[in-house]
Amino acid sequence: EAGVAQSPRYKIIEKRQSVAFWCNPISGHATLYWYQQILGQGPKLLIQFQNNGVVDDSQLPKDRFSAERLKGVDSTLKIQPAKLEDSAVYLCASSPSRQASTDTQYFGPGTRLTVL
Amino acid sequence: AQKITQTQPGMFVQEKEAVTLDCTYDTSDPSYGLFWYKQPSSGEMIFLIYQGSYDQQNATEGRYSLNFQKARKSANLVISASQLGDSAMYFCAMREGRRGSARQLTFGSGTQLTVLP
Repeated sequence: EAGVAQSPRYKIIEKRQSVAFWCNPISGHATLYWYQQILGQGPKLLIQFQNNGVVDDSQLPKDRFSAERLKGVDSTLKIQPAKLEDSAVYLCASSPSRQASTDTQYFGPGTRLTVL
Repeated sequence: AQKITQTQPGMFVQEKEAVTLDCTYDTSDPSYGLFWYKQPSSGEMIFLIYQGSYDQQNATEGRYSLNFQKARKSANLVISASQLGDSAMYFCAMREGRRGSARQLTFGSGTQLTVLP
């Protein structure tokens, strides 16, 4: 079974530029998550999708961040314009969302963003 | 208040020895799940083990076991027979809510484990 795919793996941009990240979840997984992980910290949820609907985007800085999951499969996360403090690893995760006790989230390799 | 606390920023262990990584949590929800993830230097978060709040027994997965003490709100990860490949960052995480509900994970700040040859 293929895991969660993300691209690009690395991105370096200047502040005030725009950037987009792509994620393809594990096949059949209904729920998709975007996390931001700043160096030395644990991941923080930015947005959660259930199929193509947003479940939770309370921690997404909506003035500059946007995300979509058209057709309920892959997803893009965009930052426009980027700030220095956006430098982080952006992790995508997916889960089956079955009625099971675990509903484990499986993570992709992440995109390391550096804003200069 | 921190929902997940990992008090050990770094730990060292000798190869083949056992090591315990601490995790305490805070929640008023009677239903929750606790997870441990491993993050090697490559960056990917790898799921290790899960413990549900209603589970009667401590979870085990190969060399990983979870020492779940509900009254103390602790969920320590025990790695037996450490290997060099276990060197990584380890995160404890919690999901509150009913079973199967698609709730977010809250992560601790992590513990960097180094296995010494």
